[in-house]
Amino acid sequence: AQSVAQPEDQVNVAEGNPLTVKCTYSVSGNPYLFWYVQYPNRGLQFLLKYITGDNLVKGSYGFEAEFNKSQTSFHLKKPSALVSDSALYFCAVRPGALRGSTLGRLYFGRGTQLTVWP
Amino acid sequence: DTEVTQTPKHLVMGMTNKKSLKCEQHMGHRAMYWYKQKAKKPPELMFVYSYEKLSINESVPSRFSPECPNSSLLNLHLHALQPEDSALYLCASSQMDRSYEQYFGPGTRLTVT
Repeated sequence: AQSVAQPEDQVNVAEGNPLTVKCTYSVSGNPYLFWYVQYPNRGLQFLLKYITGDNLVKGSYGFEAEFNKSQTSFHLKKPSALVSDSALYFCAVRPGALRGSTLGRLYFGRGTQLTVWP
Repeated sequence: DTEVTQTPKHLVMGMTNKKSLKCEQHMGHRAMYWYKQKAKKPPELMFVYSYEKLSINESVPSRFSPECPNSSLLNLHLHALQPEDSALYLCASSQMDRSYEQYFGPGTRLTVT
């Protein structure tokens, strides 16, 4: 079974401090991993993805994520948080083993609400 | 252009009404998706179209009827909805390549009264 876990419902951090939003996964085959951000009453915005290659992936708005195959993790990080980073963050995975029933399907974590206070 | 557009932004409908949600993309993507999202929850996949053919139906009730008239357009026809169907409906599109990176529209906020 395919699954994604975001163990924290809420992450609070002071502006200027580093932030980490955690994600672990379980999928068939090599995973394709994604982070999306959602602001209130908006759609999901793509932040970054891991397909293959360098384990450290850099994305939009200064975010980066590190793929760790042995720990099956893909944590989202930013060296210095901004108040405007406050939003709902979703980790998602697509199984590398494509079959009809999984074609294009993304499995989402439950989401982590990030709050950055001034 | 990496934009997916959705209309309307907001929709209020009674349980006996018939309405449609529309989604459009001009990125040349050949896969399009409908999701339902409740507040503070992850999106739930409803339907997937690949090359204009329905490839995934997540056991969605028949009161939701998807349609893909061409590779750029995706509709969701609504009929006899229930109040629990009130949600944010998101459309997404992707290439049919290795990553299947999905681009999401802003959504339609649906309220069923």
